[in-house]
Amino acid sequence: GDSVTQMEGPVTLSEEAFLTINCTYTATGYPSLFWYVQYPGEGLQLLLKATKADDKGSNKGFEATYRKETTSFHFDKGSVQVSDSAVYFCALSDAGTGNQFYFGTGTSLTVIP
Amino acid sequence: KAGVTQTPRYLIKTRGQQVTLSCSPISGHRSVSWYQQTPGQGLQFLFEYFSETQRNKGNFPGRFSGRQFSNSRSEMNVSTLELGDSALYLCASSLDFSTSGNTIYFGEGSWLTVV
Repeated sequence: GDSVTQMEGPVTLSEEAFLTINCTYTATGYPSLFWYVQYPGEGLQLLLKATKADDKGSNKGFEATYRKETTSFHFDKGSVQVSDSAVYFCALSDAGTGNQFYFGTGTSLTVIP
Repeated sequence: KAGVTQTPRYLIKTRGQQVTLSCSPISGHRSVSWYQQTPGQGLQFLFEYFSETQRNKGNFPGRFSGRQFSNSRSEMNVSTLELGDSALYLCASSLDFSTSGNTIYFGEGSWLTVV
């Protein structure tokens, strides 16, 4: 079945440090890939997505490239800010299964000034 | 444009009781899906509704059920509550069901505690 594996946390970085979070997936069909962010006490917000191989999703300085050959969707940001402290989830939806999403376990990020 | 609205935000129930959670999707969105989030199991898909019909169902017992109304609003119900049902229940809406790559937009969730 479909699944997502992402880097375990928690991750603690100093402000302006480089962030990368690894995500790999297993899918039976042709998935679309997503990164969502969850701030404390809130629901999930879409950060970026990519719907086909070699697509690059980007938003607010975060980027991820859909790599079909390595079944990966690694996520990075060149310079993190304190406001980026949150939990980040990698997710996929597979063609033919509607809006059923498969999520990774989440990676908690804390950015210290 | 208003986002996904879930009510109630917080509730405490006793084992054996039942609970109903409500979700109003973004205006114009016709697909509503539900997820359970727990520290141990993470985010797990419960079910999805589109045009008042359940389209997909996750691997949860029959105690978990839902429905969707003609205005796309949805409710989920959990009967005979167990301690393990304590979780954040998230509702998500999307424009469509049939095309791939749809983005789903989440509400803030309903925190359920079973004591």
